[in-house]
Amino acid sequence: GQQLNQSPQSMFIQEGEDVSMNCTSSSIFNTWLWYKQEPGEGPVLLIALYKAGELTSNGRLTAQFGITRKDSFLNISASIPSDVGIYFCAGRLANEKLTFGTGTRLTIIP
Amino acid sequence: NAGVTQTPKFQVLKTGQSMTLQCAQDMNHNSMYWYRQDPGMGLRLIYYSASEGTTDKGEVPNGYNVSRLNKREFSLRLESAAPSQTSVYFCASSEAGIGREQYFGPGTRLTVT
Repeated sequence: GQQLNQSPQSMFIQEGEDVSMNCTSSSIFNTWLWYKQEPGEGPVLLIALYKAGELTSNGRLTAQFGITRKDSFLNISASIPSDVGIYFCAGRLANEKLTFGTGTRLTIIP
Repeated sequence: NAGVTQTPKFQVLKTGQSMTLQCAQDMNHNSMYWYRQDPGMGLRLIYYSASEGTTDKGEVPNGYNVSRLNKREFSLRLESAAPSQTSVYFCASSEAGIGREQYFGPGTRLTVT
């Protein structure tokens, strides 16, 4: 089955730094979702994007739906310790199931 | 509201044993899903139920069966567990439409020895 390519696979950053990660696909999507998973928990929906070029924020998180419809980006500003976790992207074409990325693991160094 | 709940949280099985993972949601969602998560593999869809009374295979259905008991509940059964089924299993639900925003349960960590 198809999976989305997420990069980077892992990040080690200092508290207060900004974070950028992205997700790319060989197929176009008409919805992009970003999830966060903390250890021992299920993924939690952070942001949903529905239109090419759309930019949506949720607190310190900002996500963009790429204009080619084949990619999406997630930025976290001024990282804090509770941002630690694995971030997953997911894409969807009309009436199709979600396809998930392989995740970006974020570690914050005090 | 509890959202999506799963039981048990942990389980150890011997090869060949059977068990059923339970999932329930209280959000009145029509669609429900079972995923497995393995290191480096992300989330892979096992089975899904687009609406009450229907079930369909996902990406990795072999070795599993499902039952959509009612609108709230969707169970996953392993008839004869194998070590390859050691994984973390997540149930999710969404409003009508199989690709809509999905909300996940806390997961069941299964080890098959």
